[in-house]
Parts: sequence; structure tokens; C-alpha cells
Amino acid sequence: EIVLTQSPDFQSVTPKEKVTITCRASQNIGVSLHWYQHKADQSPKLLIKYGSQSFSGVPSRFSGSGSGTDFTLTINSLEAEDAATYYCHQSFSVPLTFGGGTKVEIK
Amino acid sequence: QVQLQQWGAGLLKPTETLSLICAVHGGSLDGFYWSWIRQSPGKGLEWIGEISHSGSTNYNPSLKSRVSILLDTSKNQFALNLTSVTAADTAVYYCARDWGLSWFDPWGQGTLVTVSS
Repeated sequence: EIVLTQSPDFQSVTPKEKVTITCRASQNIGVSLHWYQHKADQSPKLLIKYGSQSFSGVPSRFSGSGSGTDFTLTINSLEAEDAATYYCHQSFSVPLTFGGGTKVEIK
Repeated sequence: QVQLQQWGAGLLKPTETLSLICAVHGGSLDGFYWSWIRQSPGKGLEWIGEISHSGSTNYNPSLKSRVSILLDTSKNQFALNLTSVTAADTAVYYCARDWGLSWFDPWGQGTLVTVSS
């Protein structure tokens, strides 16, 4: 099973600040890594697919990078509506797995 | 635009079987995989398993002995059955379209299932 390790677990950020979340895979997964935003009482929403491809309708302040074992989700100029938990997910092999999540709080 | 609507019993007793259904609106089951994912209280997301449009399945080894995912093409639905539930199966369960060893989108609205005696 591929283990995804996210860091940090929690981040408290001021609006307009930049947020960087990392996801490290336990083995090379190419670019089979996707990012989701999960707000309380809602379903997770896809932000980035295949490491760096922005999903339709996602604000341009969200971007992804990385390949192999190290990946990054960046939120430029954080807005209040971005308060959520962010998860990475690998689709390289079954069982599909998720990172432990990074909770982003707005100061 | 495809939307997923899910439903099922929200309160179960230990040893009972969890059964959830997910209906696909605005699209077909064809060409995709269909997954179930859960989130236990205070924990992260856990993939349960998936079924392809042709009926082939993949399950998480941690649940494989208790899980079955079924397809009903006539109703454009797929279902999750999880047998012999315990309190550890208490979670919000989501259905999602799986683009075949790719990303999940869209997701159902989620169903809270509580297992308690």
C-alpha cells in the first residue's frame, strides 16, 4: 500500500497569505496525485489532478506541482472561503489511498 | 452535469449489514469506475472499493472480506454492502465517480452511518 504523508497537519493563516501543503508518497507514483478541498458538512471537491492540472472551475490561486514522491499544493493569496481540510490522493495503485489531511484555518 | 445522490440506513446495530445506494443523475455508468469512500469521526478519508461499468471490482484489503459493491445498470445505480459492522464502521460514507485509476469527481452528498447497540 502506498502511504501518503501530508505536512503540516494544521496551519493558521492570515487572509492574502500564501499557503503551501506538501504530500510525500512512500514510493514513486509519477504524477498520479490529486488534491481535494473538504469543507465541513460538504463533500470533498477536486482541485488539482495529475499533480499540476487545475480542475475546471477552480480559482487560479490554487496550483499544484511535483512528481515522483514529492508534491505541493499552493494557495496564493488565501481567502476566507478557503478554510477547509485539504487531502492528497494517489491513483497509482490499488488500494487507492489518501494523505492524512491538512486543516487550514483563517486567523 | 453528473450528480450523485446517495441514501441508506443511518443507524445500525453491531453485526448488521450496512447497505447504501448511489444513483447517477445526468450521465451514464458507462466508461467509468464508481467508488465508495468513508471518513470516520475525526479521521481522514479511506477508500473502500470500486466497481467498473462492466462489473469488475477492486476492494481495500482492510475491508475486502466484508465488502461488496454492486451495479444496477437498469436503474443507473451502484450499491455498497458492508457486513458484520462494528462501532469502528461509524463514518460518513461517500459515493464518487472514479475516472479509472484517476481522480474522484463528482462526489455524493455523504451519508452518516452510526453503529451502536
